[in-house]
Amino acid sequence: QQQVRQSPQSLTVWEGETAILNCSYEDSTFDYFPWYHQFPGESPALLIAIRPVSNKKEDGRFTIFFNKREKKFSLHIADSQPGDSATYFCAASSNSAGNKLTFGIGTRVLVRP
Amino acid sequence: EAAVTQSPRNKVAVTGGKVTLSCNQTNNHNNMYWYRQDTGHGLRLIHYSYGAGSTEKGDIPDGYKASRPSQENFSLILELATPSQTSVYFCASGDLGGRDTLYFGAGTRLSVL
Repeated sequence: QQQVRQSPQSLTVWEGETAILNCSYEDSTFDYFPWYHQFPGESPALLIAIRPVSNKKEDGRFTIFFNKREKKFSLHIADSQPGDSATYFCAASSNSAGNKLTFGIGTRVLVRP
Repeated sequence: EAAVTQSPRNKVAVTGGKVTLSCNQTNNHNNMYWYRQDTGHGLRLIHYSYGAGSTEKGDIPDGYKASRPSQENFSLILELATPSQTSVYFCASGDLGGRDTLYFGAGTRLSVL
């Protein structure tokens, strides 16, 4: 049972374009939504996170948009750079379920120069 | 800088053999986690721990045991390894459970032949 659905599985964009990665969830108790990125041969690392008290979180070129009603959240990578090429994982956790993170299957992003 | 160290980095095991993966963290974090990463499945939680002496089952615990003898150390044990357990295993530590940054180790690539 996949509690956090992520799409697309792979995405190719040109340098300068905006990459959009999507996630949805089913568990309405989820209340913390981070995105992790993983470069080839490395381990995952936190990129940005949001709590549903707000519907938008920005950090430089990276923005999370959150829609609580539809149980969806997305990561927008503006002005994509070749160095952004990596696998991105969305995740969610619930205070009532031990705070353990449940990850999506990942989106492999390739930014072409 | 948070530090999570996994050993071994690579392991080849035989079917039916016992495998122990070790993880050490110097962050003084209460929570530690074992994930496995497989293409098409993302990161899946196997076992986790809230502190020394505690272990909890994650989403895919079958075939795995865990041990947390101290704040710093968390082991994953495969008593009877099977080829389906061939994967990359990541250990992570964090405070506040999934509400805060998880720091991942470099990963252990396990092949069960």
